[in-house]
Amino acid sequence: GAVVSQHPSRVICKSGTSVKIECRSLDFQATTMFWYRQFPKQSLMLMATSNEGSKATYEQGVEKDKFLINHASLTLSTLTVTSAHPEDSSFYICSASGDYNSPLHFGNGTRLTVT
Amino acid sequence: AQKVTQAQTEISVVEKEDVTLDCVYETRDTTYYLFWYKQPPSGELVFLIRRNSFDEQNEISGRYSWNFQKSTSSFNFTITASQVVDSAVYFCALSEMGTNAGKSTFGDGTTLTVKP
Repeated sequence: GAVVSQHPSRVICKSGTSVKIECRSLDFQATTMFWYRQFPKQSLMLMATSNEGSKATYEQGVEKDKFLINHASLTLSTLTVTSAHPEDSSFYICSASGDYNSPLHFGNGTRLTVT
Repeated sequence: AQKVTQAQTEISVVEKEDVTLDCVYETRDTTYYLFWYKQPPSGELVFLIRRNSFDEQNEISGRYSWNFQKSTSSFNFTITASQVVDSAVYFCALSEMGTNAGKSTFGDGTTLTVKP
């Protein structure tokens, strides 16, 4: 069964609104989670590293104020796409592991469509 | 900087054929992890294997096998007797060891189509 749960799986929102995506580790604690973005027919690109109890670390070129990450507990990280625009439409996927010796588990992803 | 190259963009085979997906990587790290993931049309990413850089033993899991050759920086994936359900995009990925193990660099993926 899934060990990382991501919700929602699909969301359609209007331009200018904000969307929150949740990533939960179901049977392990994850001090670190990772958020990736995947454009159609392209590879996964790391957006940010979510650290429990501290600020996220963003990759170069990723807007911190647009993609807000909160990792308030050891089992939950959230990604909020603020003031979404059509170019933010993408597949967002999170990952986590219990520790660095464990396999990395991915959520099922969230397909965001901004109209 | 790390880089993963999957030179084959698309591969099409007929069921029961064997198929090998190539993966070549670049890294300055002396220790690292290599991964293969499967992404079916539904979109979720399915973990297939993780290999440590210091373990060059080839691995077989059912119809799947992996050939890791550090000398050529390659980590190729072979599916034996392919099936239609194997149709998916396959990603090879590379990450550091330690606390950054989750920060993976992905290849562009290889789309495998297995025809009946």
